Amino acid sequence: EAGVTQFPSHSVIEKGQTVTLRCDPISGHDNLYWYRRVMGKEIKFLLHFVKESKQDESGMPNNRFLAERTGGTYSTLKVQPAELEDSGVYFCASSRGRSSYNEQFFGPGTRLTVL
Amino acid sequence: KQEVTQIPAALSVPEGENLVLNCSFTDSAIYNLQWFRQDPGKGLTSLLLIQSSQREQTSGRLNASLDKSSGRSTLYIAASQPGDSATYLCAVNGANSKLTFGKGITLSVRP
Repeated sequence: EAGVTQFPSHSVIEKGQTVTLRCDPISGHDNLYWYRRVMGKEIKFLLHFVKESKQDESGMPNNRFLAERTGGTYSTLKVQPAELEDSGVYFCASSRGRSSYNEQFFGPGTRLTVL
Repeated sequence: KQEVTQIPAALSVPEGENLVLNCSFTDSAIYNLQWFRQDPGKGLTSLLLIQSSQREQTSGRLNASLDKSSGRSTLYIAASQPGDSATYLCAVNGANSKLTFGKGITLSVRP
């Protein structure tokens, strides 16, 4: 069974540019999560999809961030326009079913650097 | 608001030592707790998941315990090896399935 995959692994962009991160969850996992770690801080929740619906987006920092999961498969997280403070590692995770009791499996992360 | 604390931030031990990593959380209303391992530049590998109704879980040389009422979990690593060197993260699953993470403990096992 393939794990959670993320693309790209690294991205370096200039302030004001747009970047789109992609996450492919484990096949069959209804739940998809985005998390972020900025330098020196703990990993923090951004949002949660159940299939194609946003279940909880309380962690999204502002309206420069847009997450989609069309068709309930892969997800994209777009940052537009990027700011310096958006630099960090963006993790995607997935879990099966609709239960909060299920284990979350994480991808390798995308390291975003905004110059 | 849930807060997760892992102390100390870093730990260095000689090979072969048994060790305990601690995790504390402020809100005992959790569904479960996960321990993760992260190697430098890599993603998170789930080590153990303890449901709120459980007291402990074991996998190989790892044993995790949970005392929900006191807001504590420990990860016990038996007979540590240099390959165990990594950052260990504790995360609690509370309302709405979102994980709240500690900052992690960076473990170095000296040969």
